[in-house]
Amino acid sequence: EVQLVESGGGLVLPGGSLRLSCAASGFTFSDYAINWVRQAPGKGLEWVAYISSDGYRKYYADSVKGRFTISRDNAKNSLFLEMNSLRVEDTAVYYCARDRCSRAACYNLAYWGQGTLITVSS
Amino acid sequence: DIQMTQSPSTLSAFVGDRVTITCRASESIDTWLAWYQQKPGKAPKLLIYKASSLQSGVPSRFSGSGSGTEFTLTINSLQPDDFATFYCQQYQSFPLTFGGGTKVEIK
Repeated sequence: EVQLVESGGGLVLPGGSLRLSCAASGFTFSDYAINWVRQAPGKGLEWVAYISSDGYRKYYADSVKGRFTISRDNAKNSLFLEMNSLRVEDTAVYYCARDRCSRAACYNLAYWGQGTLITVSS
Repeated sequence: DIQMTQSPSTLSAFVGDRVTITCRASESIDTWLAWYQQKPGKAPKLLIYKASSLQSGVPSRFSGSGSGTEFTLTINSLQPDDFATFYCQQYQSFPLTFGGGTKVEIK
């Protein structure tokens, strides 16, 4: 069974930093691209970042570019999101979401974690 | 960036109704479109990819159509389990973008 479990969420001050993790199981992690998608309270879905299966290609939403860094450790079946210079508007549930296709990504998201809440507030 | 616009934002329907949700892209995305269903407090679930391909395990009452800039998600014979919010997503290019969502409520 495919499982994605996010962790690392919590309350952080504006300007602060946080590192999210996503632990994967039930599939060959190194074969799949993974994304971070967020959802502010009561709002819609916003794509945040993408990393290819081998970790070499990364893309970011303009709203987080230069502040967030996506990375992965294929040996440990783990995905990360380093978040710096956090803003109030970054408050959201953050989901990791696995691509539907193996090897060559197809950019639609077939498996999602349960999400972790980040609250940026003073 | 490609903007995705969904309509309506809210829809009220009876169990058994046929429901159609529209998604429009700000430029052509061929058929690079996915649909997701999200229930309150839960992660989204992939329903449709490549505009009309049904994801494994999704009931056949869900169907998708369209190409270019206009797409529809149709639910035939709405079931109690289908009341949720639905999102479209384009994957023609980065940044990946979602529509604003359509909430399907019980009438």
